[in-house]
Amino acid sequence: GNSVTQMEGPVTLSEEAFLTINCTYTATGYPSLFWYVQYPGEGLQLLLKATKADDKGSNKGFEATYRKETTSFHLEKGSVQVSDSAVYFCALSDSNAGNMLTFGGGTRLMVKP
Amino acid sequence: NAGVTQTPKFQVLKTGQSMTLQCAQDMNHNSMYWYRQDPGMGLRLIYYSASEGTTDKGEVPNGYNVSRLNKREFSLRLESAAPSQTSVYFCASRETGPPYEQYFGPGTRLTVT
Repeated sequence: GNSVTQMEGPVTLSEEAFLTINCTYTATGYPSLFWYVQYPGEGLQLLLKATKADDKGSNKGFEATYRKETTSFHLEKGSVQVSDSAVYFCALSDSNAGNMLTFGGGTRLMVKP
Repeated sequence: NAGVTQTPKFQVLKTGQSMTLQCAQDMNHNSMYWYRQDPGMGLRLIYYSASEGTTDKGEVPNGYNVSRLNKREFSLRLESAAPSQTSVYFCASRETGPPYEQYFGPGTRLTVT
């Protein structure tokens, strides 16, 4: 079956630090990959996505590249802000599994001023 | 365009009580989903509906029932609430075509005492 593995949190950074949150996946088909963000007390929002190998998704200064050879989709940001404090979820959608979303466990990011 | 809406936002039940969580979407999506989110466990799929008139079990369906009332609305019912059902519940709807992005509601925080 499909699975998504994320680094466990919490990740605590100082403002303007570089962020990497690791995500690896296993899938039976050729999945689309997503990062969702959940701010405190809110639902999940799509942050970025990539649909094929070597695609780079980007939004709000965050980036992730679809690496088929390493089955990874790591999230990066060059300079985090306090407002980036949230829980980040990596997910995949696989046509071989009815395009259902499979989520990782989430990584909490805390950014200190 | 409200996206995905859920009611209520908060609810406290006593063990054995019943309730229905309501969800509606205005994006004309065919597929809708109910998830629960528990600390450290990410999101787990309870039930989904691929189209109006169909429903299917997800990963954790026990203790729940669903109704796809029409294309817009998908409700989740707890017939006899248990403390193990204390969680945050999210409804989502999904795009009809690739990359099959899901859009989430703001969530219902349920406590069963």
